[in-house]
Amino acid sequence: AQTVTQSQPEMSVQEAETVTLSCTYDTSENNYYLFWYKQPPSRQMILVIRQEAYKQQNATENRFSVNFQKAAKSFSLKISDSQLGDTAMYFCAFMSGYNNNDMRFGAGTRLTVKP
Amino acid sequence: NAGVTQTPKFRILKIGQSMTLQCTQDMNHNYMYWYRQDPGMGLKLIYYSVGAGITDKGEVPNGYNVSRSTTEDFPLRLELAAPSQTSVYFCASSTAGLSYEQYFGPGTRLTVT
Repeated sequence: AQTVTQSQPEMSVQEAETVTLSCTYDTSENNYYLFWYKQPPSRQMILVIRQEAYKQQNATENRFSVNFQKAAKSFSLKISDSQLGDTAMYFCAFMSGYNNNDMRFGAGTRLTVKP
Repeated sequence: NAGVTQTPKFRILKIGQSMTLQCTQDMNHNYMYWYRQDPGMGLKLIYYSVGAGITDKGEVPNGYNVSRSTTEDFPLRLELAAPSQTSVYFCASSTAGLSYEQYFGPGTRLTVT
């Protein structure tokens, strides 16, 4: 079974600085998708960024970018120019490209952006 | 545009009671999902549906049932509630499967005592 590990339960960063959240996963598959979801205090999950495993180019969405290392099974999230509104839980998730009901989430990293 | 709505927001159940968590989406999405989030953990998929009349089990389906009679609604039924079902439940929908962006509801916090 696929597993997703987020080794940093909590992190903090000063406003306007850059922070990187780590995620590793374990799979024997070659076709899969990776996601970062944000869960602010309101509790509602929001997609931050998505990466298809067959794409070598790292995904980028405005201030958010990933470092996808397929061989190392690593998928870190970099947040540039951190803003107070980035304070949230961040979840890394893996989805099998072969099994429609196989989606696994990591335990999350709580990020606090300090003014 | 309300997106995905869930009711109730909070509920306390006694052991052995039953209840239905409601989920409605107004985006005409074919795919809908139910997750549970235990304290300090990520989400786990309970059930999903690829369209009206079609449902299937996820990673943790035991103790739950679902139905999908319309595109908009995807209720989750808990029969004989147990303390292990204390969790936050999220409903989500997407246009075409888990590989696409999922839109989540605000969640239902359920406590079974």
